Amino acid sequence: ETGVTQTPRHLVMGMTNKKSLKCEQHLGHNAMYWYKQSAKKPLELMFVYSLEERVENNSVPSRFSPECPNSSHLFLHLHTLQPEDSALYLCASSQEEQRNTEAFFGQGTRLTVV
Amino acid sequence: ILNVEQSPQSLHVQEGDSTNFTCSFPSSNFYALHWYRWETAKSPEALFVMTLNGDEKKKGRISATLNTKEGYSYLYIKGSQPEDSATYLCAFSGNTGKLIFGQGTTLQVKP
Repeated sequence: ETGVTQTPRHLVMGMTNKKSLKCEQHLGHNAMYWYKQSAKKPLELMFVYSLEERVENNSVPSRFSPECPNSSHLFLHLHTLQPEDSALYLCASSQEEQRNTEAFFGQGTRLTVV
Repeated sequence: ILNVEQSPQSLHVQEGDSTNFTCSFPSSNFYALHWYRWETAKSPEALFVMTLNGDEKKKGRISATLNTKEGYSYLYIKGSQPEDSATYLCAFSGNTGKLIFGQGTTLQVKP
């Protein structure tokens, strides 16, 4: 247990659906992140929130919409996704915005877009 | 484009063997180098965060070295055990603060 919990663990959605991924941490961390891992590719940073403010949007399409209502929760709202968006989505948190502080990861949501 | 390369991509060793893998990263604008272990169906777990050239860190049978001038880090596992089977990720942090991950080295230790 890393202290970072993601739900759901698996999600299958159609291209016209709207769904949300949830991430929760009670480690007292100030920064939270969304990463994407597609098959045979490295982990790719999507969004960074520091003290509930978005500080990084790594050229992610607008069909992915993050929300950070407080320092313990992070959401990723999904709408009109494409099959190529099927991937493992990982949430992470760290004491401060990543540089020399280790990140704590959730177990991920395996998303399949049909 | 900042690239982080890990080699080999995968590795199969016998229990008791010692092994090592490489992470190559940009040698300019270096801030930190992270190593994570990612077991199947679990979360990636931090092993080391290294910032100083020449640094060497150790956790049990696992150790890592860092050369920021030439842009590489080695991860060593002494006397591999089946429970060491995992994907080992390195990630580079430069002056942008973002972590850029390599593709990982997948280690399989056979009993």
